[in-house]
Amino acid sequence: AQTVTQSQPEMSVQEAETVTLSCTYDTSESDYYLFWYKQPPSRQMILVIRQEAYKQQNATENRFSVNFQKAAKSFSLKISDSQLGDAAMYFCAYSPYGQNFVFGPGTRLSVLP
Amino acid sequence: GAVVSQHPSRVICKSGTSVKIECRSLDFQATTMFWYRQFPKQSLMLMATSNEGSKATYEQGVEKDKFLINHASLTLSTLTVTSAHPEDSSFYICSAYRDRGADTQYFGPGTRLTVL
Repeated sequence: AQTVTQSQPEMSVQEAETVTLSCTYDTSESDYYLFWYKQPPSRQMILVIRQEAYKQQNATENRFSVNFQKAAKSFSLKISDSQLGDAAMYFCAYSPYGQNFVFGPGTRLSVLP
Repeated sequence: GAVVSQHPSRVICKSGTSVKIECRSLDFQATTMFWYRQFPKQSLMLMATSNEGSKATYEQGVEKDKFLINHASLTLSTLTVTSAHPEDSSFYICSAYRDRGADTQYFGPGTRLTVL
């Protein structure tokens, strides 16, 4: 069975600094998707970034980028120039093509002014 | 694009009554929608997968007669909590799966259910 692990229950970062959230997963599939979702205090799940496993190039979305290491089954999220609005729970998720998502336990990110 | 609405956002009901929660994909068609339950400070727990025009697939341990799911159209899925008990109080979140290159779940804002 596929599993997703986020080893950091809580992280904090100073405003304007950079922080990296870790995620590892276990799968025997070769094709799949990986995601980072953000859940702010409003509890609305927001898609942050998406990576297709067959693409070697790391996905980026403005201040958010990933370090995807397929062989190591690692998918970390880097947030640059952290802003107060980045404070939230961050969930890493794995999805085999067309099938259900598996979510990690989440990392709570605090941004310090 | 890819907006999912969920209604109501909050509901309080008495024990023994039934509550219906609606999930709508507003700007895309979703053949598959998902229903999750989230306990405080925990991750999302998948309850069931809702496929348009067919019966929902429930995860192990989820009572299908208690949590009725109907996916009547490509933009609407409903979750009905029947004979609600206080232990059903929780935060329920739906998502709609967008394929055709997106292959991504987009989430509704959630529903806070409180059963008295």
